[in-house]
Amino acid sequence: DAKTTQPNSMESNEEEPVHLPCNHSTISGTDYIHWYRQLPSQGPEYVIHGLTSNVNNRMASLAIAEDRKSSTLILHRATLRDAAVYYCILRASPSYITQGGSEKLVFGKGMKLTVNP
Amino acid sequence: KAGVTQTPRYLIKTRGQQVTLSCSPISGHRSVSWYQQTPGQGLQFLFEYFSETQRNKGNFPGRFSGRQFSNSRSEMNVSTLELGDSALYLCASSSGLAGGPREQYFGPGTRLTVT
Repeated sequence: DAKTTQPNSMESNEEEPVHLPCNHSTISGTDYIHWYRQLPSQGPEYVIHGLTSNVNNRMASLAIAEDRKSSTLILHRATLRDAAVYYCILRASPSYITQGGSEKLVFGKGMKLTVNP
Repeated sequence: KAGVTQTPRYLIKTRGQQVTLSCSPISGHRSVSWYQQTPGQGLQFLFEYFSETQRNKGNFPGRFSGRQFSNSRSEMNVSTLELGDSALYLCASSSGLAGGPREQYFGPGTRLTVT
């Protein structure tokens, strides 16, 4: 499985934008970039995913570098509820694309985001 | 729509015993995956079941096994428990189908303590 690299931790202030970086220099052409986060005492939750183009949803935006070797998760206005461990994950042949593909997620150490009031 | 439920939420067992954990996926989801989370190793994939068949398996010893029923509910079993099996066991459900939604939904986990 291709590997991702994230900072161990970041701090931000409430109501300010925060950019969470992820490096994935060995990404293959068919790997999808997924972000999940895990709030304290909860299971992980899906945030966003993309392949090549930048993506927006109600939770966040995902900016993907042109060479796809890095990506950035953008929280436009951080709230205290956004304090969590964020995981950047590459998915090869996800099941939603390939019939019989796997749902397996390979989690790295993730990055702890602290949001200051 | 009800979320993913896992039972029990907390469990204390003794070394050498065996344990069965249960997961009920979101209605309509056919794929159930299991993960182990420990402070030292983080989140690690155990196995995935789709339509009652194991579709993928992580690098865990044979003491860890699972199954899925026709209603998509899944159980995982750990036999001959070791102290190192103490962990949070998470279940995730998804449609599992090509063209289906992208996200997986995780349950709250079962906290297993082995003494």
